[in-house]
Amino acid sequence: EVQVLESGGGLVQPGGSLRLSCAASGFTFSDYAMSWVRQAPGKGLEWVSGIDGSGGDTHYADSVKGRFTISRDSSKNTLYLLMNTLRAEDTAVYYCAKNPYPYCGGWFDSWGQGTLVTVSS
Amino acid sequence: EIVMTQSPATLSVSPGERGTLSCRASQSVSTNLAWYQQKPGQAPRLLIYGASTRATGIPARFSGSGSGTEFTLTISSLRSEDFAVYYCQQYNNWPKTFGQGTKVEIK
Repeated sequence: EVQVLESGGGLVQPGGSLRLSCAASGFTFSDYAMSWVRQAPGKGLEWVSGIDGSGGDTHYADSVKGRFTISRDSSKNTLYLLMNTLRAEDTAVYYCAKNPYPYCGGWFDSWGQGTLVTVSS
Repeated sequence: EIVMTQSPATLSVSPGERGTLSCRASQSVSTNLAWYQQKPGQAPRLLIYGASTRATGIPARFSGSGSGTEFTLTISSLRSEDFAVYYCQQYNNWPKTFGQGTKVEIK
């Protein structure tokens, strides 16, 4: 059974940093691209970033480009999102999602339960 | 950026009735469109990809149609567990974008 489990969320001050992790199991991690999608409180879904199966191709939403860095460690079956220079508008539940292919295109076929990031002083 | 617009914002339906949800793209996305269901406090769940292909384990009462800029998700006979928020998402162009959601509520 495919499972992805996020961790690392919490309360951080504006301008601070946080690293999210997503532990994957039940599939060959390096065979699939992975993504982060966020949802602000009471709002809809926003794609944040994606990375291909090899880790060599990454994509970012304009709203986070230059501040967030996506990476993966296939030896640990883990996806990461390093978030720097956090702003109040980054407050959201962050979901880890699996793509259906090794490359970054396509939909999201499995989702974690999410981890809440709150940016506030 | 492709803007996805869903209608209606809220759909009030009685159990057993048909529910029809719409999604419009600001430019053509071919059939590169997915639908997701999200219940309160839960993660989204993939229902449909490729505009009309049901994901694994999704009941046949869910069907998707459309291409280009106009898409429809139909729930043929609503059950209590189907009352939720539904999102469409295009993956034809970067960035991948979602609609704002349609809430399906009990009438």
